[in-house]
Amino acid sequence: DTAVSQTPKYLVTQMGNDKSIKCEQNLGHDTMYWYKQDSKKFLKIMFSYNNKELIINETVPNRFSPKSPDKAHLNLHINSLELGDSAVYFCASSQEPSPRGEAQPQHFGDGTRLSIL
Amino acid sequence: KQEVTQIPAALSVPEGENLVLNCSFTDSAIYNLQWFRQDPGKGLTSLLLIQSSQREQTSGRLNASLDKSSGRSTLYIAASQPGDSATYLCAVTGGSQGNLIFGKGTKLSVKP
Repeated sequence: DTAVSQTPKYLVTQMGNDKSIKCEQNLGHDTMYWYKQDSKKFLKIMFSYNNKELIINETVPNRFSPKSPDKAHLNLHINSLELGDSAVYFCASSQEPSPRGEAQPQHFGDGTRLSIL
Repeated sequence: KQEVTQIPAALSVPEGENLVLNCSFTDSAIYNLQWFRQDPGKGLTSLLLIQSSQREQTSGRLNASLDKSSGRSTLYIAASQPGDSATYLCAVTGGSQGNLIFGKGTKLSVKP
């Protein structure tokens, strides 16, 4: 009954390869996110997506692209992997703001540790 | 550009002690502030969310306060336990799309 699940948990691959990380949420949330946690444990937003719009952090290379086959999934595709892409990637989801405009808590997956050789 | 700072970076306390973790942000125009806990090798667990119109939220032994005008929040943990050992992250939402901007966290160690 995991709320936000990511696969794989670990991903080790060669530089230059293309890889995908899957994320699924069973909470019925409207918005999903991808975050990157670097080697210094600093978390930064990469994307947020609902059925209306995709918000991209301007610092994210275009080698990274989110794909949402349906409301419950937001997968992350990465092309031409580089050494600097090594990090832990977290998926999260949240409900849309309440009718009063109050943002809702974000729920995180356990992360995918990506290591580039 | 919003920046979130957490002090101290690490904290070690004996079991049973009350403690305060600090978070500050540079732009007071936030939608909300959220405190998370991260255990090693795990994702983030949401602890408390304070809307911009609120001043504090409580959950069990945890109490979070928010002073938007001064750009500060505190997380108060009462009667700390070894199981509270984790990294505590503070994050603010700067826009309606909900993207969180995180601090670098405070690593808490509670000694038995």
